[in-house]
Amino acid sequence: SAVISQKPSRDICQRGTSLTIQCQVDSQVTMMFWYRQQPGQSLTLIATANQGSEATYESGFVIDKFPISRPNLTFSTLTVSNMSPEDSSIYLCSTKLAGGPGEQFFGPGTRLTVL
Amino acid sequence: QQQVKQSPQSLIVQKGGISIINCAYENTAFDYFPWYQQFPGKGPALLIAIRPDVSEKKEGRFTISFNKSAKQFSLHIMDSQPGDSATYFCAPSGGYQKVTFGIGTKLQVIP
Repeated sequence: SAVISQKPSRDICQRGTSLTIQCQVDSQVTMMFWYRQQPGQSLTLIATANQGSEATYESGFVIDKFPISRPNLTFSTLTVSNMSPEDSSIYLCSTKLAGGPGEQFFGPGTRLTVL
Repeated sequence: QQQVKQSPQSLIVQKGGISIINCAYENTAFDYFPWYQQFPGKGPALLIAIRPDVSEKKEGRFTISFNKSAKQFSLHIMDSQPGDSATYFCAPSGGYQKVTFGIGTKLQVIP
């Protein structure tokens, strides 16, 4: 299994600023994922971050808005840039173990409110 | 194209009753069929999952039923308890296919 922690757990930010969310996994993993979840809604994949390569973004998400770093096999960051109220959401970090049955492990999420 | 259709979106069940949530998919490349459970303020966590080589899997009060020909699988919660109140997501995947989450079902078990 994998245990994931995220920082911060929540934040309230002003429009136009940026926030960097940190994700730490307790074991080395190849694949890490970042999701967005609007309150009461499903999960939407923002990007996949594999160590040693550029992050792959899903349709509707761009690197300038959501830059991602993946400096090693246990850590990743997601930055939400030039924030607007529409970015208010829960951001979740996730991973999947290579060779595992397919289960994804999730962090507790970062609840972001943009005023 | 919506690849995963989950229903119902909300469900209210009496304590001790049976909760049933359904998931229909289109992609025949999927080979892993999980249900995730999410409590408020927490990330989703795997509840139970099935591979397509079996039609049913039971873990305690939770059962997955899988119908390959109909491209559907369902979650049954027997003897539902107030502690089961959560949001449930189906999230089939397979091979290099990215995980597709269903819309979610908010279950409320009332005493």
